[in-house]
Amino acid sequence: SQQGEEDPQALSIQEGENATMNCSYKTSINNLQWYRQNSGRGLVHLILIRSNEREKHSGRLRVTLDTSKKSSSLLITASRAADTASYFCATDPILTGGGNKLTFGTGTQLKVEL
Amino acid sequence: NAGVMQNPRHLVRRRGQEARLRCSPMKGHSHVYWYRQLPEEGLKFMVYLQKENIIDESGMPKERFSAEFPKEGPSILRIQQVVRGDSAAYFCASSLTRTGAPNEKLFFGSGTQLSVL
Repeated sequence: SQQGEEDPQALSIQEGENATMNCSYKTSINNLQWYRQNSGRGLVHLILIRSNEREKHSGRLRVTLDTSKKSSSLLITASRAADTASYFCATDPILTGGGNKLTFGTGTQLKVEL
Repeated sequence: NAGVMQNPRHLVRRRGQEARLRCSPMKGHSHVYWYRQLPEEGLKFMVYLQKENIIDESGMPKERFSAEFPKEGPSILRIQQVVRGDSAAYFCASSLTRTGAPNEKLFFGSGTQLSVL
């Protein structure tokens, strides 16, 4: 089964609204990362949150991490049409022994309409 | 500073042919990772390499698939005797350091879309 699973699978909102995506995972982690993928392109790193952190901000992005529930959320505030993309969480499990063997979820497809 | 470069962007092969995918990491990066993405799915880890060494190939099929990252030149993902099920987007990523280093993240290329007819 997936180490990271995003919820919802798809989200459609109006420009200016906030978008919240959730990610659940199964094993202990070193860190959790969020990536964005535009259609037909590679992934772009958005934000990294370490296992000893609970919340992190970067511009219009806010990420939370609850290691007791093995879950994370990504909030995009004041969304724009340009935010339309797929968003993936990726976990760096402790048991891999390092080396960036990130495990990706299946993603949330966000569509921001004008 | 050029990002991770992958070529070709699109590759069409007939069943039984060989596919070679190339990846040049970001300048200064010595850690390379290959991921495969099927339609509507997330990325699946295949292999992690450092210069001249395969560190972790646990995600790579044991048959027909191989990867290398020579001292000079790009990393190569090679698929022999391709089958239709190999059709996917193959992404390469590079990083400066191993896991655990501060502010560590992966930089991805734009991918190679492999289509097997």
